[in-house]
Amino acid sequence: TQLLEQSPQFLSIQEGENLTVYCNSSSVFSSLQWYRQEPGEGPVLLVTVVTGGEVKKLKRLTFQFGDARKDSSLHITAAQPGDTGLYLCAGAVHSNYQLIWGAGTKLIIKP
Amino acid sequence: DTAVSQTPKYLVTQMGNDKSIKCEQNLGHDTMYWYKQDSKKFLKIMFSYNNKELIINETVPNRFSPKSPDKAHLNLHINSLELGDSAVYFCASSQDGGTSLYNEQFFGPGTRLTVL
Repeated sequence: TQLLEQSPQFLSIQEGENLTVYCNSSSVFSSLQWYRQEPGEGPVLLVTVVTGGEVKKLKRLTFQFGDARKDSSLHITAAQPGDTGLYLCAGAVHSNYQLIWGAGTKLIIKP
Repeated sequence: DTAVSQTPKYLVTQMGNDKSIKCEQNLGHDTMYWYKQDSKKFLKIMFSYNNKELIINETVPNRFSPKSPDKAHLNLHINSLELGDSAVYFCASSQDGGTSLYNEQFFGPGTRLTVL
């Protein structure tokens, strides 16, 4: 059974602080996606990383795919209240229609 | 234009009733999904259709029956609703499904089902 362990489950920090969310697995993924979900809405895709070691930046968010394509991290620099939400990672396996989902990280940024 | 839409947004009903949730996507995607998100926010796949053909059918009670009249629509019918069915149900679609490296999914706004 493929699993994607996401940590931490919950994080509450002050505006301006940095944070990192991790997703780890023993399985190799063809790609890994990060989504953000706000209350009352569906998850929205932020980024997809495909190549081992790949780093992608989205403003203050930095996403990294592990060299072996088994893990990924999301780093937020100088967090803002607008970053508050549920962050979900999901791994894709080629020829498998089903994404493997992490349990999510609930992030609260206090002003 | 809304890419993936679901109706209704909220559904409050009594135990034992039958209800349906509708989903439509205008992205031209081939694959559509139903997910259940429980109170702990874990997203659990229920069903997936590719070009109107059922390809994922997870361990879901057979009170739940998906129907895809065409590749832009995927509806979910639930018979004999139970208290434990209370959750948020999300519809999603993807262009490539399992045929590419990506399988990037686009979600609807969700249907919050409350069974009393």
